[in-house]
Amino acid sequence: GENVEQHPSTLSVQEGDSAVIKCTYSDSASNYFPWYKQELGKRPQLIIDIRSNVGEKKDQRIAVTLNKTAKHFSLHITETQPEDSAVYFCSTTDSWGKLQFGAGTQVVVTP
Amino acid sequence: DAGVIQSPRHEVTEMGQEVTLRCKPISGHDYLFWYRQTMMRGLELLIYFNNNVPIDDSGMPEDRFSAKMPNASFSTLKIQPSEPRDSAVYFCASSLHTGTGKNIQYFGAGTRLSVL
Repeated sequence: GENVEQHPSTLSVQEGDSAVIKCTYSDSASNYFPWYKQELGKRPQLIIDIRSNVGEKKDQRIAVTLNKTAKHFSLHITETQPEDSAVYFCSTTDSWGKLQFGAGTQVVVTP
Repeated sequence: DAGVIQSPRHEVTEMGQEVTLRCKPISGHDYLFWYRQTMMRGLELLIYFNNNVPIDDSGMPEDRFSAKMPNASFSTLKIQPSEPRDSAVYFCASSLHTGTGKNIQYFGAGTRLSVL
């Protein structure tokens, strides 16, 4: 089955700095790569996604990149703010819509 | 739409008791997923349904766990008998298969289960 690896497991950044989370996957048939953010005590929520026919996508301060050949994708957060503190999950989906999550990255933004 | 609705939000029970978690997916969605989240194991997919039919239950940990979806607007996850190691947050999620490959899952607020 699909295996998604995510690094780092924790990331501490100063407010205003950038944060980068990297993921690799194994199933070459994966075609959709959503990122979820989970604040403490809350549900995971989609923040940005990218499809396999696109290499990069940006939405304000967050961007995702995808390298299908190397089977890795990344989340970039610029100008981090305290409200960016959360656990971020990368994931891949197969054609059935089944999500495979990475283990998560705890991001802490310190003022 | 109110989103995916789960009940109860919190459940505290004693070992050996039966626990039933409930989920109402977003109206019109054709996929429903049950997840379990713990610090040790992260987010694990337990089972998912397509048009009320179970597709993949390989994530269900043991026979003590069972899930049903009697109609498009309701699903249950049952644990019988419950054990302390079942303590976790259980999430339900639903999605609509659009055929574009972009299948966004929307999560419920979760049920925090504590088995004493």
